[in-house]
Amino acid sequence: AQSVSQHNHHVILSEAASLELGCNYSYGGTVNLFWYVQYPGQHLQLLLKYFSGDPLVKGIKGFEAEFIKSKFSFNLRKPSVQWSDTAEYFCAVNGGDTGRRALTFGSGTRLQVQP
Amino acid sequence: KAGVTQTPRYLIKTRGQQVTLSCSPISGHRSVSWYQQTPGQGLQFLFEYFSETQRNKGNFPGRFSGRQFSNSRSEMNVSTLELGDSALYLCASSLATTAFYNEQFFGPGTRLTVL
Repeated sequence: AQSVSQHNHHVILSEAASLELGCNYSYGGTVNLFWYVQYPGQHLQLLLKYFSGDPLVKGIKGFEAEFIKSKFSFNLRKPSVQWSDTAEYFCAVNGGDTGRRALTFGSGTRLQVQP
Repeated sequence: KAGVTQTPRYLIKTRGQQVTLSCSPISGHRSVSWYQQTPGQGLQFLFEYFSETQRNKGNFPGRFSGRQFSNSRSEMNVSTLELGDSALYLCASSLATTAFYNEQFFGPGTRLTVL
């Protein structure tokens, strides 16, 4: 079964610091990769997605992620975080055992940005 | 366009009871997926419905079931509730075209507490 690992469970940063959240997945077949964000009290929202092509993908709110196939990684980055980025971030893949229509999520990383 | 709506938003039940949760997808979306979110297990895929048929299922016991109506609205049912069923249940809808993957849009969730 495919799995997704997010190594950082809780990250605390000061405003303007750079962010990198790690994500590794285990499935070797065709997958699509996603980062979702869950702001306090809000719905899960899609930050960005990788389907094919340029491995560096840009999403909303200044976030970007790089797909490195050889490392099975899809790390999320932001050059300068803001207090409003405080949220929980989930890496996800589709494909594999649950098929192309279902998402397998990582355990999430709680980001706390201090003003 | 209205987003995914879920009712009720909060629910308290006791062990042994059964519960039904409802999800109304975004207008025009034909696929509805359900996920369970818990602090211990994270976000896990339950099942997906399309055209009133379950076409994908996660690794959950048979106490968890669902259905979809002709208007794409979906319900999920949990019978013989256990304490471990306490969770946030998320519904997601998508267009369900023939593409490898269609973006899923998540609802606010129903928080179920089992006492």
